[in-house]
Amino acid sequence: AQTVTQSQPEMSVQEAETVTLSCTYDTSENNYYLFWYKQPPSRQMILVIRQEAYKQQNATENRFSVNFQKAAKSFSLKISDSQLGDTAMYFCAFSPGSQGNLIFGKGTKLSVKP
Amino acid sequence: EAGVVQSPRYKIIEKKQPVAFWCNPISGHNTLYWYRQNLGQGPELLIRYENEEAVDDSQLPKDRFSAERLKGVDSTLKIQPAELGDSAVYLCASSAGTSGRNTGELFFGEGSRLTVL
Repeated sequence: AQTVTQSQPEMSVQEAETVTLSCTYDTSENNYYLFWYKQPPSRQMILVIRQEAYKQQNATENRFSVNFQKAAKSFSLKISDSQLGDTAMYFCAFSPGSQGNLIFGKGTKLSVKP
Repeated sequence: EAGVVQSPRYKIIEKKQPVAFWCNPISGHNTLYWYRQNLGQGPELLIRYENEEAVDDSQLPKDRFSAERLKGVDSTLKIQPAELGDSAVYLCASSAGTSGRNTGELFFGEGSRLTVL
């Protein structure tokens, strides 16, 4: 079974500081995609960053970057220069390359404090 | 470009009543998903459509849930009769790819929050 585990139910960070959210996954597939989605209190999920499993280079999007460790099946998200607007639920998600479904973790609630 | 549109945003019903949710995906997106998100949890897939075909409905409780996507565009998710445990947010999402050609990026609507009393 393919599973995604987020071991940090809640985290907080001071504005302008850096925070790392953890995610591990389990799969026997070799071709897949990994994602971090953000869900602000309004509930609409927004894609933060995406990583293709075949790419060794870690993805970056402005203040967001990932540390992808394929052998360890680990996919952490680093948020630099945290902003108040980063306050949200963050979901790690896995997508098998052969299917369109996303399998989500339980989420990490991030609070950015002024 | 309009995003994924869902209605209603909120619905409160008594148990055993029926309820229906509607979703209009992003124009041109072939694949449509219905997810259920319980409080404090990640979304879980109920059903996935590629065009008008339901290609994955293994997690849909078929005794009370039904869904349709007749013309491969809009979709409706119905619950009849609703139970207390059905209280959740029902999320619709769409993507441009189909099986074997997807990048996995889904675009989500704001969701429909159901409360069953």
